[in-house]
Amino acid sequence: DTGVSQDPRHKITKRGQNVTFRCDPISEHNRLYWYRQTLGQGPEFLTYFQNEAQLEKSRLLSDRFSAERPKGSFSTLEIQRTEQGDSAMYLCASSLPRTGNNYGYTFGSGTRLTVV
Amino acid sequence: GQQVMQIPQYQHVQEGEDFTTYCNSSTTLSNIQWYKQRPGGHPVFLIQLVKSGEVKKQKRLTFQFGEAKKNSSLHITATQTTDVGTYFCAGRGSGGGADGLTFGKGTHLIIQP
Repeated sequence: DTGVSQDPRHKITKRGQNVTFRCDPISEHNRLYWYRQTLGQGPEFLTYFQNEAQLEKSRLLSDRFSAERPKGSFSTLEIQRTEQGDSAMYLCASSLPRTGNNYGYTFGSGTRLTVV
Repeated sequence: GQQVMQIPQYQHVQEGEDFTTYCNSSTTLSNIQWYKQRPGGHPVFLIQLVKSGEVKKQKRLTFQFGEAKKNSSLHITATQTTDVGTYFCAGRGSGGGADGLTFGKGTHLIIQP
C-alpha cells in the first residue's frame, strides 16, 4: 500500500456529460475526504466519510455532485451534467482517526477535470 | 463560515534568506495543520499544532500556534531550492462535529538564484 490512489489522472469531458472519479485510500485509514482545487487556490472541502458513512458535506457540493463509499474502502465522486465551472483538480485524501498529535491527511495525486 | 487567510500570497527570496508565512483564522481553531505543495504536485502534510502557544521545529522549519489559537506562522531559515512550493495552513474549527479542514489560499515561495 503505497498511498492514496486516484483514477483517472486526467479527464476531459464535454459540458453536460457525467463523470465519475475513483479514490483508493490507504487501507488502514478509515477517514476519506474529497477536496477541489483550482489554479492558485487552496483545496476546498467537498465531503468526508468515516468508514462508509458520509458525515459532512460542504455547501459547495451541489445536487449535481454525489459521493459514495459503499464498503468503507474506495470512494467514488460523480458529477452529473458537468459545467465549465466544474473544471478543477479533484483531490482525495485519507487519514487515521483523530488520535495522537500528528494526525494529518495523505492526499492522492488528484484527478484533473477539464470541461469543454 | 470559517475563513483562513494567509499572507503573503507570493514571496520571492534569494537562496539562503529566511522566509515566513502567516495564517489567520476568523474563528478559534481546535488545531492547525501545515502542508507543502510542490509545483504540479499534491499537498503533503508537514505538521499539526494543537496547543495554545505551541512551537514545533523540523530542521530549518519552525511552526508556531498563537496564544488565542486563531493564528499561526511557518518560518524557514536559510531557504534552499528544495523549499520551492506553496505552503498552506489548514484549520479545524473548535465548535466540534465538523471534521473537514479549511485551507488558506497558500503562500507561493519562489527562490531566486
